[in-house]
Amino acid sequence: GQQVMQIPQYQHVQEGEDFTTYCNSSTTLSNIQWYKQRPGGHPVFLIQLVKSGEVKKQKRLTFQFGEAKKNSSLHITATQTTDVGTYFCAAPANQAGTALIFGKGTTLSVSS
Amino acid sequence: DGGITQSPKYLFRKEGQNVTLSCEQNLNHDAMYWYRQDPGQGLRLIYYSQIVNDFQKGDIAEGYSVSREKKESFPLTVTSAQKNPTAFYLCASKSGGGRTDTQYFGPGTRLTVL
Repeated sequence: GQQVMQIPQYQHVQEGEDFTTYCNSSTTLSNIQWYKQRPGGHPVFLIQLVKSGEVKKQKRLTFQFGEAKKNSSLHITATQTTDVGTYFCAAPANQAGTALIFGKGTTLSVSS
Repeated sequence: DGGITQSPKYLFRKEGQNVTLSCEQNLNHDAMYWYRQDPGQGLRLIYYSQIVNDFQKGDIAEGYSVSREKKESFPLTVTSAQKNPTAFYLCASKSGGGRTDTQYFGPGTRLTVL
């Protein structure tokens, strides 16, 4: 069935360093969504990418959707302690889009 | 939160007992979902419902049951048949039926079976 692979599983950085998480699929995706879950919290929607090669920015966060629509990345510039948490990518689990399949997430820790 | 409530936040049960987790939303969303989260496993779909009185199994439905008698409510029962029920359970809802609709999550219930 549909699978979305996400790497790395864990990443520790010093405050101010950059961070990137990658999401890959063996099949073409109609769109991809990114969520953030703070420690002890619940996932919160960040952004959705739909178009091939799309790049979107939210302050220090840059989201990219691959040209082939099989991969995506989230890059954080100059991390801050407020960036800690687990970042998930998610894609439609079926043609109708009635459910999502989530990657296993990348947990980011930041030391000051 | 944000219109989705799950209660209680923490729940303890003895092995062999069924337990029902509540999920209520006032967002007027049609679709509702239940996920299970284990460390390092991401979010795994248990059941989902697109409309009242209809629901579909997700990837890990065995040992769980649901009902959708009202649009606002989608309770999940963890039965004694579930081999390893201790986990963090998340409920979510979505306004439309399209592929580009985003999901809104409740605060979750952490279930511990002793």
